[in-house]
Amino acid sequence: QSVLTQPPSVSAAPGQKVTISCSGSTSNIGNNFVSWYQQLPGTAPKLLIYEDNKRPSGIPDRFSGSKSGTSATLGITGLQTGDGAYYYCGTWDISLSAWLFGGGTKLTVL
Amino acid sequence: QVQLVESGGGVVQPGRSLRLSCVASGFTFSTHVMHWVRQAPGKGLEWVALIWHDETNKYYADSVKGRFTISRDNSKNTLFLQMDSLRAEDTAVYYCARANYYDTSADYWGQGTLVTVSS
Repeated sequence: QSVLTQPPSVSAAPGQKVTISCSGSTSNIGNNFVSWYQQLPGTAPKLLIYEDNKRPSGIPDRFSGSKSGTSATLGITGLQTGDGAYYYCGTWDISLSAWLFGGGTKLTVL
Repeated sequence: QVQLVESGGGVVQPGRSLRLSCVASGFTFSTHVMHWVRQAPGKGLEWVALIWHDETNKYYADSVKGRFTISRDNSKNTLFLQMDSLRAEDTAVYYCARANYYDTSADYWGQGTLVTVSS
């Protein structure tokens, strides 16, 4: 069981919007930046969001991040079939002195 | 362009050791924190270890603490993971990843190397 809690799966139709939550505590999300990763089948993860809400160069603005208290959210608008993948949140935990990943959320674009 | 290439994976018996390498190029390796992250078959991402750019600090997941050692050779742009006392549950694809300067999130990843622990 992960310290960072994500829903196992979400789904939406092409063109729609979806959000993926990541819930933690004051020792991690509440006091550290959150990042988000996309992993397409058979490939290495890719950074989508860092510092809670910043996008690396090349990541479209359809992807957004936000944070409130001890929870963070990844938003994806204008869903495309190619967005179907696993999404993971990540952050540092002060108490554990360890980096954490959420359990991952499978996005299905119907 | 940034490239990370892992090597050293393979099949190893329980209790034995293995050393993974990750050769970096396309950026100033000596100024970046680096991660090892693993993914067991059909499972999610699990962070393994992190090392500061100058090796002054190293951090490990509880699941590998005391058995795995992260190190680096900045003169050779290479990151290492020494894995001792391997267990079946260490079977996974092992990725090295570069940490960005801002929040140590993993901004570039290698393609991974598979480690299988089996008798």
